Order: sequence, then structure tokens, then C-alpha cells
Amino acid sequence: SQTIHQWPATLVQPVGSPLSLECTVEGTSNPNLYWYRQAAGRGLQLLFYSVGIGQISSEVPQNLSASRPQDRQFILSSKKLLLSDSGFYLCAWSLAAGYTFGSGTRLTVV
Amino acid sequence: AQSVTQLGSHVSVSEGALVLLRCNYSSSVPPYLFWYVQYPNQGLQLLLKYTTGATLVKGINGFEAEFKKSETSFHLTKPSAHMSDAAEYFCAVSERSGGSNYKLTFGKGTLLTVNP
Repeated sequence: SQTIHQWPATLVQPVGSPLSLECTVEGTSNPNLYWYRQAAGRGLQLLFYSVGIGQISSEVPQNLSASRPQDRQFILSSKKLLLSDSGFYLCAWSLAAGYTFGSGTRLTVV
Repeated sequence: AQSVTQLGSHVSVSEGALVLLRCNYSSSVPPYLFWYVQYPNQGLQLLLKYTTGATLVKGINGFEAEFKKSETSFHLTKPSAHMSDAAEYFCAVSERSGGSNYKLTFGKGTLLTVNP
């Protein structure tokens, strides 16, 4: 069966520090991968999606970047975090119309 | 472009009462529609989805939703609320955006509280 792993579960980082959040998928090949951010009272916002290795589409301009170095690995990064980057980050994968989400990372920038 | 509107950011019901969470969508093509549930500090869990076929869709935990094309609605219901249903619920619409990619657009969510 397919599973999605996301880590870490929680993270507290100072302003200006770098960020790397990792997401891996097991049990499937060539999935579409997604990063969403959930900020308080603002629902879920699609940040990036990828339909294949090295293929990244950005939905909103921001302080973050994404990479897909392997078929089932999706990484969210930042060189210098801002306070506004705080939120709950969710990775998801899909092969067709349905999405499966990871358990999320709670990021607090202090 | 697709969009989702969830009426009511917060719904409160008594245990045993009917749960009704409203969702309206806009989509330029026949949509795929979803309801997800999120418990505190957890990811999203799929409750149910509509792709094609029967417009009344049954999901997990006794929830169901009906796709009404004429009303562009996909409201979520449960006949009798349980304390464990307290969570945030998200309605979402998916459209094919090219190749095999389906972009999922979410509503802002509805927080359901269940009173004893």
C-alpha cells in the first residue's frame, strides 16, 4: 500500500535561519507531489507541485523553494526564514484526482 | 478558475443532532469534489469524494454528501453527531490542470464543535 512520510512533526526556527522539510512517498511510482501551507484562519494554500523529477511549479511568490531530486522525494526549503513563514505545512501525493496527505509539520519561526 | 466557498467558519451542534456543513464550488469543467477532516495538529483525512456516477456519496464515520450540479453544491451531512466528530472540515474541488496533474483547491474550512 502507498504511504507518505513527512518530517519533522514540529520545528522551531529563528528568523533568518535555513529550512528543509522532507516528504517521501512509498508504494507508488511517478506520483504528483504537492506542498501546502495552512496558516491560522486562512485555509490551505498550494505552494508548489511537481509532476516529475526536477519539475517544480510554484503557485505563489514567496520566500520558499521546492525540489524533487528523486521520484518519490519532495523537499521544501528556505535560505532565510521570515516570521510570516510560520504555519502548518502539508505534503500530499496523487496519481489521479484524489490526494493523500502527510501528517504535517508545524513550523514556528521565532 | 475553480473556487470553493464553505458557508460558516464555525458550526456548533449538540451530540445526536444533525450535522450540515455547506460547500459551494465554481468550476469550468465537471469537477471532482472532496471532503476532508482534520484533527488538531494532524494531516487531512479523506472523508468522501465524488468523481462520477451516483450523486449521493457515502463516506467514513457515517458522513455523506450530495453533488447537486444545478446548485453547484456539495454539502456534507451526518444524521447524528458524535463527540468524536469535533474537528475541522474542508471541502475541495479538483480540476485537471494538464497531463496527469489535478490541482486541488480548498475552502477555508469549517470548525465543527459538538456539545454534550
